[in-house]
Amino acid sequence: SYELTQPPSVSVSPGQTARITCSGDALPKQYAYWYQQKAGQAPVLVIYKDSERPSGVPERFSGSSSGTTVTLTISGVQAEDEADYYCQSAGSSATVFGGGTKLTVL
Amino acid sequence: QVQLVQSGAEVKKPGASVKVSCKAFGYTFTNYYMNWVRQAPGQGLEWMGTVNPSDGSTSYTQKFQGRVTMTRDTSASTVYMELSGLRSEDTAVYYCARDRITGNAGVCFDPWGQGTLVTVSS
Repeated sequence: SYELTQPPSVSVSPGQTARITCSGDALPKQYAYWYQQKAGQAPVLVIYKDSERPSGVPERFSGSSSGTTVTLTISGVQAEDEADYYCQSAGSSATVFGGGTKLTVL
Repeated sequence: QVQLVQSGAEVKKPGASVKVSCKAFGYTFTNYYMNWVRQAPGQGLEWMGTVNPSDGSTSYTQKFQGRVTMTRDTSASTVYMELSGLRSEDTAVYYCARDRITGNAGVCFDPWGQGTLVTVSS
C-alpha cells in the first residue's frame, strides 16, 4: 500500500528554521497537505496543494515539493510552533497520512 | 464561522458498537464531503472514509470495510460514524473533518471537529 515517510522528530532553537520532510513515490503526481497538531488538540491545516497557505496561517509556514519529497519549512520558529506535524496525500483509492514528526523547540 | 461539533466520549465493551455524531455549523451542509479520521493513543492519524452529505454515498478504506457505516441527517446537518465489532485496538480519538473544497472527497481536511474519545475495555 502507498506510504508517506516522515522523520519522527526535529529539534530547533527559537528563531531558527525548521524543515520537515515527507517522502512518497506518488508525490510527483499528487498534491501534499500539512497539518499541525498541538498537544490535546485537533489537527489544523497549515499548507495545502504542496505550497499554498490557508488564511490565518502565519507567513513563516511554507511548503515546497521536489520529486518524491515535499518539505514543510517554518522560518523563525517560535515556541508556539512546538507540535506534531503530519503530511497527507490523496490517491485514487485512499487518503494516506505520514507517521508524523514531533517538532521540539529547544 | 465553519464549525464541527462532535458528541461526547464513549466507553464500550469488546464486541459492541459505537455511533459518533458530528454536527456542522456555518456552511451549506450538503456541499462538502465529510471524512472520519482516527488517532490511537500516542499514534498518528488514520483516514477511515468519507460520506457525501448530499446523497449519502460513502467510500471506506479496506481496513474498515464491513465494520464501519457513515450516514447523514440533512435536516440536522449531522453526520454519523458507526463502528461495530469493537476491540481494544479501536480505542482512539475519532475526528470528523470536512473536505476543504466542494466536490472533493477525502482530499484535504479543513476544519476538523474537536474529537471524540472512544474507549474499548472489558
